[in-house]
Amino acid sequence: DGGITQSPKYLFRKEGQNVTLSCEQNLNHDAMYWYRQDPGQGLRLIYYSQIVNDFQKGDIAEGYSVSREKKESFPLTVTSAQKNPTAFYLCASSIEPGKAFFGQGTRLTVV
Amino acid sequence: GQQVMQIPQYQHVQEGEDFTTYCNSSTTLSNIQWYKQRPGGHPVFLIQLVKSGEVKKQKRLTFQFGEAKKNSSLHITATQTTDVGTYFCAGSITGNQFYFGTGTSLTVIP
Repeated sequence: DGGITQSPKYLFRKEGQNVTLSCEQNLNHDAMYWYRQDPGQGLRLIYYSQIVNDFQKGDIAEGYSVSREKKESFPLTVTSAQKNPTAFYLCASSIEPGKAFFGQGTRLTVV
Repeated sequence: GQQVMQIPQYQHVQEGEDFTTYCNSSTTLSNIQWYKQRPGGHPVFLIQLVKSGEVKKQKRLTFQFGEAKKNSSLHITATQTTDVGTYFCAGSITGNQFYFGTGTSLTVIP
C-alpha cells in the first residue's frame, strides 16, 4: 500500500462547495477505485477505472465525478450535489482482479 | 445488485479465544479477498482465494472458500490484542470490480 498517496488527509468543506480529493499511485496499476466509508460501515464503490480515459460508475456515483487523464492519477471531485458528503474516502489500485492496495484515506467534513 | 454480507457485525472475545467471521454472496464469485482495517487506518490486503474449496493459512489465520464459491470464512486461533480491527471480505465476479462485505469488527479483551 506504500505506492498510493491520497491527499489531503483531512479536508473541511463548506456546504455548496465542490472539493477535489487527490489520489496518485506509482505501482503501474491499470485499475483504480474510489470508495466511501461511513462510520461503522463497509466500503461502497463510487467510481472505478480500468484504463486511462475510461471510468465506470459504482453503486453511489451520484454527486461525484472523476477523471483519468494519466495512469498514475485518479482524482475524485465531491460536488455540491452530494447531499451527505461527510465520510472517509479511500482510493485503491490493483493490477489484477482483487488484491487492491489502498491509500491512507481522506476524511472529509462538511462544515 | 450484487451483495456480499458478513456476520457477525461485531465480535468481542477474550484474548486467547478463537474468532470466526463469515462472508456470503448472493452470486457465484470468481475469487474472494480478505482485508484488515485497523482503527483509524485503511484496509490492508491479507489474502486471495480463487479455487473452490480452497483453504489457506497465515500463521494463526485460516481462510476458506466454499465449494460453491459463494461463501468464505476467516478463522483466527488464539486471538491477540494485535488482531483488533475490522475484517472485510471482497468478492469479484468478473473483471476488476469487486464488492466489499459489510465487515466484522473484532475487539480483543486483554
